[in-house]
Amino acid sequence: ETGVTQTPRHLVMGMTNKKSLKCEQHLGHNAMYWYKQSAKKPLELMFVYNFKEQTENNSVPSRFSPECPNSSHLFLHLHTLQPEDSALYLCASSQPGQSSYEQYFGPGTRLTVT
Amino acid sequence: AQSVTQPDIHITVSEGASLELRCNYSYGATPYLFWYVQSPGQGLQLLLKYFSGDTLVQGIKGFEAEFKRSQSSFNLRKPSVHWSDAAEYFCAVGEVGFQKLVFGTGTRLLVSP
Repeated sequence: ETGVTQTPRHLVMGMTNKKSLKCEQHLGHNAMYWYKQSAKKPLELMFVYNFKEQTENNSVPSRFSPECPNSSHLFLHLHTLQPEDSALYLCASSQPGQSSYEQYFGPGTRLTVT
Repeated sequence: AQSVTQPDIHITVSEGASLELRCNYSYGATPYLFWYVQSPGQGLQLLLKYFSGDTLVQGIKGFEAEFKRSQSSFNLRKPSVHWSDAAEYFCAVGEVGFQKLVFGTGTRLLVSP
């Protein structure tokens, strides 16, 4: 595997379900990100992790719970979501510092909340 | 707060014709500027970046962009578009000193034969 991978690619869940999104990067980076991409809206940064520590939470509702067990893996745990949470969730990685802006994205997980 | 405006939601260009995608930003100082491309079903790929120095930057796939401070713009250009360039293009600004990118809403490029 190369680059940034995300699983699953598609997910349909009910509002009472609990599910998790997984991201893995094979680039040796130490920073990882979750973004939300909704139709007709700019990408929204959700969380940032540097060296496994959360350094940014962009006022994300608590029904989204990130986890970063090591620099290569990032999870987004989902519970009691709302239909407006349906979106493409993108994971990205980078090196910290100036290179942090050169972010490498995974293909995303298309989430539908019913 | 910084912001990015991409005024064109859709653009259609004939194959072989030139392309210019517009991007305007709002930021108090000289920003870091980026263009990313997203093909259907894919994540975003970095096309090019501007940090400082020469205001005309070259990127991958034959793209270039020019930073114009007086116009707060960072427009993306390509002299001859190929059908494989059909995708969505995002301009982004990075706030210096913060590990954050702010994206525009994107421009969808359609390439006609």
